[in-house]
Amino acid sequence: DSGVTQTPKHLITATGQRVTLRCSPRSGDLSVYWYQQSLDQGLQFLIQYYNGEERAKGNILERFSAQQFPDLHSELNLSSLELGDSALYFCASSLEGGNTEAFFGQGTRLTVV
Amino acid sequence: KNEVEQSPQNLTAQEGEFITINCSYSVGISALHWLQQHPGGGIVSLFMLSSGKKKHGRLIATINIQEKHSSLHITASHPRDSAVYICAVLNTGNQFYFGTGTSLTVIP
Repeated sequence: DSGVTQTPKHLITATGQRVTLRCSPRSGDLSVYWYQQSLDQGLQFLIQYYNGEERAKGNILERFSAQQFPDLHSELNLSSLELGDSALYFCASSLEGGNTEAFFGQGTRLTVV
Repeated sequence: KNEVEQSPQNLTAQEGEFITINCSYSVGISALHWLQQHPGGGIVSLFMLSSGKKKHGRLIATINIQEKHSSLHITASHPRDSAVYICAVLNTGNQFYFGTGTSLTVIP
């Protein structure tokens, strides 16, 4: 158990809908990262938050947004969903930045139909 | 061209063999991570390196910053080591880039 909790584990939704994925980091970790893993693209970095503020942005679509709340949990919002958004979405947390060890959640498997 | 290249893509080994997985990158980095992903999909961070060498049990990771290359070694491989191993680098602009992974199968 990594100590990082992601909910829900599975999500099936229709095209055009909006969903919210939730991540609770390990106790004491200030950084949260979001990644997308699809069959054709592999793992891709989406965004990082550190202590409530956006620190780095990767290949995150404009239809996607994220935030980190004062209690350090984070949410990834995906809107106007398309079939190609079907993927595993991972959250990871670390004490500080990417040069500290990261701990991964079990992922949310999103299926858009 | 990918910022991170891994080799081999697929690897099959007999139990007990010494295994090496290679990672080359083209960007300046502040850290390199080795990750393990099991068939169920869960990801575990094995190592975070910024220089030198780290060892954890039967796993050893090395990095050569000048050559922009890292290796992950598994000594005395075991079927439970069967997984996908992914190299990830954090560049100096705080962006993560991932290799496409090496799928390892260890046969008893």
